[in-house]
Amino acid sequence: KAGVTQTPRYLIKTRGQQVTLSCSPISGHRSVSWYQQTPGQGLQFLFEYFSETQRNKGNFPGRFSGRQFSNSRSEMNVSTLELGDSALYLCASSSRGVLLDNEQFFGPGTRLTVL
Amino acid sequence: QQQVKQSPQSLIVQKGGISIINCAYENTAFDYFPWYQQFPGKGPALLIAIRPDVSEKKEGRFTISFNKSAKQFSLHIMDSQPGDSATYFCAASVSGAGSYQLTFGKGTKLSVIP
Repeated sequence: KAGVTQTPRYLIKTRGQQVTLSCSPISGHRSVSWYQQTPGQGLQFLFEYFSETQRNKGNFPGRFSGRQFSNSRSEMNVSTLELGDSALYLCASSSRGVLLDNEQFFGPGTRLTVL
Repeated sequence: QQQVKQSPQSLIVQKGGISIINCAYENTAFDYFPWYQQFPGKGPALLIAIRPDVSEKKEGRFTISFNKSAKQFSLHIMDSQPGDSATYFCAASVSGAGSYQLTFGKGTKLSVIP
């Protein structure tokens, strides 16, 4: 089974621009979560989508948004980029099955650099 | 407020030794505790996980010990190898119909020296 894929892998943007990141979950997985990883703050939860509905949102400003499509693929968008948005953005998918339903599998991440 | 505290921040172990990483949590609703391993340039990989109905879980050289009353859990890596050199994260989440948000510790950078 193919793992979680994220595109693009690397991205360089300037302040004020917006960016869209994409995530394709493991086949059959319906839950997609997004995390931001930085050296200072570690791994922080952004939001989770399940069956195209946002289940939960972390403590991030409204510039961070996401969506999920009917095929479970997800995108996250960051508008009006700031220098502090430079980070590794990770997507994780979960099957939400009956047993071991918390298991989340991460993709390789998108490295975003804001100049 | 950090809900999952991880220690140590960094750890150096000789090949063949035992690596021990500790985590403590505050939220008693947490009922799923995974450990992730991350190599530079890669996403975190699920290593092993435990639920509070057991006190220990072993998979190969990796063991999780869980102490519900103390709200602590730890990862033991037996016979540590240079290939185990990576950053390890503990995490916690709440099961159920709600979000599966993982709350992570800050990570431990493990270096296994030959």
